Amino acid sequence: QKEVEQNSGPLSVPEGAIASLNCTYSDRVSQSFFWYRQYSGKSPELIMSIYSNGDKEDGRFTAQLNKASQYVSLLIRDSQPSDSATYLCAVRMDDYKLSFGAGTTVTVRA
Amino acid sequence: EPEVTQTPSHQVTQMGQEVILRCVPISNHLYFYWYRQILGQKVEFLVSFYNNEISEKSEIFDDQFSVERPDGSNFTLKIRSTKLEDSAMYFCASSEGTGARRLHFGNGTRLTVT
Repeated sequence: QKEVEQNSGPLSVPEGAIASLNCTYSDRVSQSFFWYRQYSGKSPELIMSIYSNGDKEDGRFTAQLNKASQYVSLLIRDSQPSDSATYLCAVRMDDYKLSFGAGTTVTVRA
Repeated sequence: EPEVTQTPSHQVTQMGQEVILRCVPISNHLYFYWYRQILGQKVEFLVSFYNNEISEKSEIFDDQFSVERPDGSNFTLKIRSTKLEDSAMYFCASSEGTGARRLHFGNGTRLTVT
């Protein structure tokens, strides 16, 4: 079983719409969860972190965590063309290792 | 904001040659990492390093790989005898601590093995 799985995409949304990204993880004891954005040919850039069940909002981004279901999601509201990128879900498996999902590529159509 | 710096940005080498990828982590960070990303694939953990020793490594990080912090600022990844399948983007990262601490990534070194 893969440690971190994401909906494969690609996901195409019109400008101004909500993009919804999903992620599941296998290790029930994981405590720290992150969403990174990666533009083509660039390094991952942290956009959200979440540690407790529930929602966490930061600007147009909302992360949701449900540890019982081992599920993390990211909503991007009012999507902009600049949001077009690959979004990586990452889960802290232990003190030293961050495991990434394969990513979901989002395209925002102007 | 402080940055993790990686050099070179692109390295081309022949199969069987040794390569050293260099990184300068953020100065007050204590934990250092190498990740790699083969083109079109996911970011994969290679190794973490703390207090001058490896704290964890993945199955990918075999005897052909080594890491070193030769001085107070540099952190290097050496591949002793490169293979075609080592072609990838290699990212260095650092963090202040473990657990929930944010990883700061460098811009990466694209390694091409011919």
